[in-house]
Amino acid sequence: KAGVTQTPRYLIKTRGQQVTLSCSPISGHRSVSWYQQTPGQGLQFLFEYFSETQRNKGNFPGRFSGRQFSNSRSEMNVSTLELGDSALYLCASSKGAGAYQETQYFGPGTRLLVL
Amino acid sequence: AQTVTQSQPEMSVQEAETVTLSCTYDTSESDYYLFWYKQPPSRQMILVIRQEAYKQQNATENRFSVNFQKAAKSFSLKISDSQLGDAAMYFCAYRSGGPGGSGYALNFGKGTSLLVTP
Repeated sequence: KAGVTQTPRYLIKTRGQQVTLSCSPISGHRSVSWYQQTPGQGLQFLFEYFSETQRNKGNFPGRFSGRQFSNSRSEMNVSTLELGDSALYLCASSKGAGAYQETQYFGPGTRLLVL
Repeated sequence: AQTVTQSQPEMSVQEAETVTLSCTYDTSESDYYLFWYKQPPSRQMILVIRQEAYKQQNATENRFSVNFQKAAKSFSLKISDSQLGDAAMYFCAYRSGGPGGSGYALNFGKGTSLLVTP
């Protein structure tokens, strides 16, 4: 069974631009969560989607948004990029959501560099 | 929000030896899950082991085992017969089991970098 895939793997953008990252979950998994990893703040939760609905959201500004499609694939978008958005963005999938979320399995991440 | 503390930024172990990584957490919940993830230089986050708080028995996965002390809110990871491939950053994570608190997101510690020497 294929694991979680994320595209692109690397991305370079300039301040003010916007970016869209994509995540395809493990087959049969319906929940997708996104995390941001930086050296200073560590791993921080962005949001979780299940059945095309956002179920949970972390403490990030509105510039960060996401969506999930009917095939469970998810995208996250960051508008008006800032230097501080440079990070590794990790996507994780699980079978269920909420109390039935079970274990999250992570993708390889997308490394975003904002210049 | 629940906090997860890993007090050892770096640890070193010789091949074939045993090492224990520490993790403590702060919560008022009784139902929750704890995880150890490994992140090698490739940055791929890999699940090592999982523990349900309601289970008294410590989880074990081959060379990896945990010492779960619920009253002390401690969740340490023991790696036996360490191998060069075990070198990585190890993260302890907490997940609520109920709808309250921080929801169902994973709360991670800052990580422990494990070096394995030949």
